[in-house]
Amino acid sequence: QVQLQESGPGLVKPSETLSLTCSVSGYSISSGYYWGWIRQPPGKGLEWIGNIFHSGSTYYNPSLKSRVSISVDTSKNQFSLRLSSVTAADTAVYYCARGVVFWGQGTLVTVSS
Amino acid sequence: EIVLTQSPGTLSLSPGERATLSCRASQSVSSSSLAWYQQKPGQAPRVLIYGASSRATGIPDRFSGSGSGTDFTLTISRLEPEDFAVYYCQQYGTSPWTFGQGTKVEIK
Repeated sequence: QVQLQESGPGLVKPSETLSLTCSVSGYSISSGYYWGWIRQPPGKGLEWIGNIFHSGSTYYNPSLKSRVSISVDTSKNQFSLRLSSVTAADTAVYYCARGVVFWGQGTLVTVSS
Repeated sequence: EIVLTQSPGTLSLSPGERATLSCRASQSVSSSSLAWYQQKPGQAPRVLIYGASSRATGIPDRFSGSGSGTDFTLTISRLEPEDFAVYYCQQYGTSPWTFGQGTKVEIK
């Protein structure tokens, strides 16, 4: 069974960089599929952040493209999200996912000083 | 980008009734790459349907998806108490992947 688990700081200061890691078990990232990040501000809908293919190709939401980076560490079977210059509007539950079927449980990141 | 519009915003129904949720795309969704999710408070979204009509593993057969091109439908044949939740559609055929704004199915 494929399982994903997000980890990272729950509190980030404005203007700093948000960094999250998704640890994958039950499947090797290097074997295929898109690996991505989605977020959900409190009380609001879902927003797709971006994907990375197992080959390393990346696809980002144009609204975040200038601030976001997704990378893969196949040796650790993990992939990561970096979002720079954060503001309060980036406060959200962040989910990692394999394609559309397997999702992590999500982690709340609050941007506040 | 493909904009997905879900309707209605809220659906008030009783257990046992049939629910029909709509997802309309601003342009054709490639290869019927359309998924439906259910989300309950405090939980991650759970995929119900992918490929417009394929039920995900473990999803009861009262959930069904249909449609192609720009018009898609999620049908819940008979609502169970655990089905009252928010439902989202997502297209994943064209980057950027996009979500609809959600339909809340509430108890009447």
